[in-house]
Amino acid sequence: GQQVMQIPQYQHVQEGEDFTTYCNSSTTLSNIQWYKQRPGGHPVFLIQLVKSGEVKKQKRLTFQFGEAKKNSSLHITATQTTDVGTYFCAGRGTGANNLFFGTGTRLTVIP
Amino acid sequence: NAGVTQTPKFQVLKTGQSMTLQCAQDMNHNSMYWYRQDPGMGLRLIYYSASEGTTDKGEVPNGYNVSRLNKREFSLRLESAAPSQTSVYFCASNVGGNTEAFFGQGTRLTVV
Repeated sequence: GQQVMQIPQYQHVQEGEDFTTYCNSSTTLSNIQWYKQRPGGHPVFLIQLVKSGEVKKQKRLTFQFGEAKKNSSLHITATQTTDVGTYFCAGRGTGANNLFFGTGTRLTVIP
Repeated sequence: NAGVTQTPKFQVLKTGQSMTLQCAQDMNHNSMYWYRQDPGMGLRLIYYSASEGTTDKGEVPNGYNVSRLNKREFSLRLESAAPSQTSVYFCASNVGGNTEAFFGQGTRLTVV
């Protein structure tokens, strides 16, 4: 079955440091989505990447989709305490109707 | 706007009891999903419904059944609860295809 792995599982950073999480799929994805879940909350959509090699930015967040459409990354520049939470990637196989989530990376930001 | 509404928010069951988790969305979405979230395991897909009248198994369907009652509602049933089903359950919906998913607030289920 389809698997989407994320590394690292946990990351502790000092406020102001950068943070990156990586997402790897066992199969080619038609698209990749990123979600953020605050502690005690539910996942909230951040962005979607569709094209091979695509790069998108949202303020301090940079998202990339790999050339082979099997991996992706989320980079946060100069983390803030408001960035705390778990970041998930999610993908859909080509022609599939389901939506598989990665294992998530829990980010802790130390003030 | 209510979005995706799940009930109940919390539930404690004894082993062997049954219950149904309810999910409703008011966004006229075609697709609906049920996930469970366990520490270190991310969100695992239990069942999904790509459109009204269809349901399909996800990664971890054993011990669960679903019903797409109509376009708005997608319920998840545990016929005989087991401690391994202790988890946080999320319902989600989207228009379908490659569109963003909207999540409910979650149901925290404990089976003792």
